[in-house]
Parts: sequence; C-alpha cells; structure tokens
Amino acid sequence: QQKVQQSPESLIVPEGGMASLNCTSSDRNVDYFWWYRQHSGKSPKMLMSIFSNGEKEEGRFTVHLNKASLHTSLHIRDSQPSDSALYLCAASRTGGYKVVFGSGTRLLVSP
Amino acid sequence: NAGVIQTPRHKVTGKGQEATLWCEPISGHSAVFWYRQTIVQGLEFLTYFRNQAPIDDSGMPKERFSAQMPNQSHSTLKIQSTQPQDSAVYLCASSPPGGSAETLYFGSGTRLTVL
Repeated sequence: QQKVQQSPESLIVPEGGMASLNCTSSDRNVDYFWWYRQHSGKSPKMLMSIFSNGEKEEGRFTVHLNKASLHTSLHIRDSQPSDSALYLCAASRTGGYKVVFGSGTRLLVSP
Repeated sequence: NAGVIQTPRHKVTGKGQEATLWCEPISGHSAVFWYRQTIVQGLEFLTYFRNQAPIDDSGMPKERFSAQMPNQSHSTLKIQSTQPQDSAVYLCASSPPGGSAETLYFGSGTRLTVL
C-alpha cells in the first residue's frame, strides 16, 4: 500500500527564519507531488506542485524533487506567523489515480 | 465561483443511525474525491469518481460505507449503522479536467460526531 512519509512531525522556527519540510513516497510508480497547507479549522489548500526533477520557486516558497529517491522538500524562507499551519505532502501516479496524503508537518512560526 | 460545497457542516448521530453527507463539486470539474480526517489517522483517502464513474473505492470500509455520484453536480457519502470510530471530518474535493495530475480543491468539510 502506497505510503507518504513526512518529517519532522512538528517544527518551530522563529519569525524570519527558514523552515524545511521533507516528504518521501514508498510507491515507485509515483509521478506527481503536491504540498498543501491547512490552517487550523480550515480545509487544505494547494500550495505548490512539482512533477519534474529539480527545483521550483514561488515567492518565499521553494520545492525540490528527486524522482530517483521519491523525495520532495518544501522550504519556506522569511517565515511569518501566518505560515503557522499543517503542511501536507500528497503524491499520485499518472493516468488518473488516487491522491495519497502524508500525516503532515505542523509548523509553528514564533514571533 | 462558490468552491466545493459540503452539507451539512456538522452532523451528530447516535450509534447505529445512518448519516448522509453531500458534496457539490466546482462547476466544470470532472473528478470528485472523498477523504476523512482525524488527528490520529490524518487525511485518509476513501473513494474517487471521474466523470461520475467510480474509479477507486479502495479506502472505503466496505460493509457500512457507500458513495454515489448520480450527476455531475453532486456526490453523496452514506454511512450506515454509524459507530463512534466513524467520528471525523469528512472532506470532499474536486479536480478540474485535463492533464493526468489531480490537483484537489477541498470543501469546508462535514464534521461527523457519533455518540
């Protein structure tokens, strides 16, 4: 059964600091990865997607993907208190397949 | 665009009763997914429809859970003989057509409490 493992479970960074989150899939057929963010009491919202090897940057957020190791990471620079949330990694295969989520990393940015 | 609409927002049932949860996907979206979320288990996949056809129900507890998508504008998740362990937030998500990667847009969820 496909599993998506995330680490760490929780993370505290100071305001203005860098947060680094990790995610690995156990399914060798995975082609697509997403990062979703879920604020307390809200539903998950897609933050970034990455489907090719390499790096993708959008503002303060950067994602990396290494398809050989099925590992993706999310880096948030200049972290803000509003970034405090549960970050969920998701993975799927090509050709219309279920999207499987990891258990998440709970990020707290302390002012 | 109203987003994915889920009703009711909260539902309380007694043990053994039935619960029906409703989802209206974003207009024009072709796929609908159901998940449930708990603190312990996280976000668990339940089932998935594409163009109203069931694609994968591998996450559904087979005996008491069922899902349908009778038309492109709504899907239902029915839980018969609810048990306390069914208490969770049930999330519906839809995904736009085109491409082979399903980017999900979630509704606000239905919080089910089984007493």
